[in-house]
This record gives sequence, C-alpha cells and structure tokens, in this order.
Amino acid sequence: KQEVTQIPAALSVPEGENLVLNCSFTDSAIYNLQWFRQDPGKGLTSLLLIQSSQREQTSGRLNASLDKSSGRSTLYIAASQPGDSATYLCAVLTGGFKTIFGAGTRLFVKA
Amino acid sequence: GAVVSQHPSWVICKSGTSVKIECRSLDFQATTMFWYRQFPKQSLMLMATSNEGSKATYEQGVEKDKFLINHASLTLSTLTVTSAHPEDSSFYICSASLRTTYEQYFGPGTRLTVT
Repeated sequence: KQEVTQIPAALSVPEGENLVLNCSFTDSAIYNLQWFRQDPGKGLTSLLLIQSSQREQTSGRLNASLDKSSGRSTLYIAASQPGDSATYLCAVLTGGFKTIFGAGTRLFVKA
Repeated sequence: GAVVSQHPSWVICKSGTSVKIECRSLDFQATTMFWYRQFPKQSLMLMATSNEGSKATYEQGVEKDKFLINHASLTLSTLTVTSAHPEDSSFYICSASLRTTYEQYFGPGTRLTVT
C-alpha cells in the first residue's frame, strides 16, 4: 500500500530564505509526482508535475526533484515571500491510477 | 488551459436532503475524473474514480449508494450526496486527468454544510 509522508508538517521562515520541503513515498512504482499549493479554504493549485522518467522540474522560484528509486522528492523554494505562505501537498499517481496525497507542509513566511 | 470548474462552490442543506455537485473540464476532454473529500486540517482522501461512460470505482469505506457519481460525458462528472447528514459536511474536490500525461487538474472545491 502506497504511503506518502511529508516533512516537516509545519515550517515558519523569515522572508527571503531558501527552503526545502520533503516528500517520501513507500512504493517506487509511480507514474508521476505532483506538488500542489492549497490556500486556506481553497482548492488546489498545481505547481509542478514530474513524470516518473524525469529527475526534476522548475518553474520560477520553484524546483522539484524526484528520486524514484529512493522514494523521495523535494520542493525547493528560493527567496521565499509572504505570498508563499500556504499548505504544500505532494501526491503520487500509483500504478493503479490512484492519487495518494501526503498530509502536507504548512508554510508561513514572515515579512 | 486545463481549467476545471465546480458548482456550487458552497452549499448548505438540511439533514436528509440530497445535494448534487458538478465538476466540469472547461477546455479539455477528461477521460477520468476523481472525487476527493477533505476534512478540516487534513489532506485529501480519494473517494472514487470516475471514467466516462462507465461506473465509478469507489474506495474502500465509501458508500456508493450514498455518494452517487455520474460521468456522462468527457467534460462533466457529478457527485450526488444522498440523504445528507451533518457528518457529510466537508470540502469536496474533483479533479480531471489529461489522457496524455495523467496530470490532474483540480477544481476549486465545494464546501458542503449539512445542518
């Protein structure tokens, strides 16, 4: 059974700091891994999608890496801003075409 | 591109009534749509997978007779919560999957409150 774990559960950093969010999964047989952002009371916004054959994806200040063999992904946020404050979720699409979400990392960037 | 809408965004209903939530892919055809529910401060839990033209596949513990899913076209899936009870109050989110990349695009969610 696929399990997705995100560490840390919560993180508070000063503005401008670079930070790393971690995601691990137990079964390496995945189709892809997605990172999402969720603001309080809102739906999900897709940030980055990494196919199983890829190692990383970049979008602006965000960089996500994937090491399928070790069951790990990281989301790197450069020069954090208060507007980055949100919950970040990672999710894997399993071989059974089910998406399993981690519990999320709640990020607070202090101005 | 790849926009998914949900309607309504917020609904309050009385216990015992039924509520229908629509999920539409606005600018692409989605062969598969997913329905999730999210309790406060918790992550998303997959309820069911819906393929166009076929019966939905429900996750273990999800009552198929209570949560009716219809996926009549490549752009529309509906979730009907039948005989709603206060414990059904939750945030319901749908997603639609692109056939080529399996990337999921999420709707904005529907907050259901059952009184």
